[in-house]
Amino acid sequence: DQQVKQNSPSLSVQEGRISILNCDYTNSMFDYFLWYKKYPAEGPTFLISISSIKDKNEDGRFTVFLNKSAKHLSLHIVPSQPGDSAVYFCAASNYGGSQGNLIFGKGTKLSVKP
Amino acid sequence: DTEVTQTPKHLVMGMTNKKSLKCEQHMGHRAMYWYKQKAKKPPELMFVYSYEKLSINESVPSRFSPECPNSSLLNLHLHALQPEDSALYLCASSRTQEGYGYTFGSGTRLTVV
Repeated sequence: DQQVKQNSPSLSVQEGRISILNCDYTNSMFDYFLWYKKYPAEGPTFLISISSIKDKNEDGRFTVFLNKSAKHLSLHIVPSQPGDSAVYFCAASNYGGSQGNLIFGKGTKLSVKP
Repeated sequence: DTEVTQTPKHLVMGMTNKKSLKCEQHMGHRAMYWYKQKAKKPPELMFVYSYEKLSINESVPSRFSPECPNSSLLNLHLHALQPEDSALYLCASSRTQEGYGYTFGSGTRLTVV
């Protein structure tokens, strides 16, 4: 059973508009969440993270929102640029526990059209 | 089969030992990856194989030697490691380097003594 789910395999957005990528999780012990970005022919690279003690973390055009009661997080990209076209992965972990490794979603492919 | 299987789950090795980590998938994925993850840090990409050929080496020291003997199997050979190499080593695969169907294994926790 997938503990981290990205239910949209793909998303298409117009340049300059907002991109919203969603992620749901089932394990209430997760206390650290990350988003990764992956271009073709490259490995994923770290984008932004959020601890469970926060509900929002912002870094430039990228903002991650965490709703613990709904076990849901989202990544907002504003404004979207063609260079943002990539696959985005959500990941979760319980660093405070004994697990300490990341559980990844299957990814959402974002296409930003000029 | 929709999993990436990594063995062993735990490994303790001395600095003079030679050991190997193994990663296997039977999803028909043609891209496979090795990552290193230190405690409370995101995974760092080490190597990427695409169609059994090494396509990315992120300046990893030569004491780590990857091998992709076939499309289902990825090995990481370890020799003369240092204690600071102790970490969780994660393997992943995807349909191609485009990234579709990206799946991570559960990792091998390596301790170098």
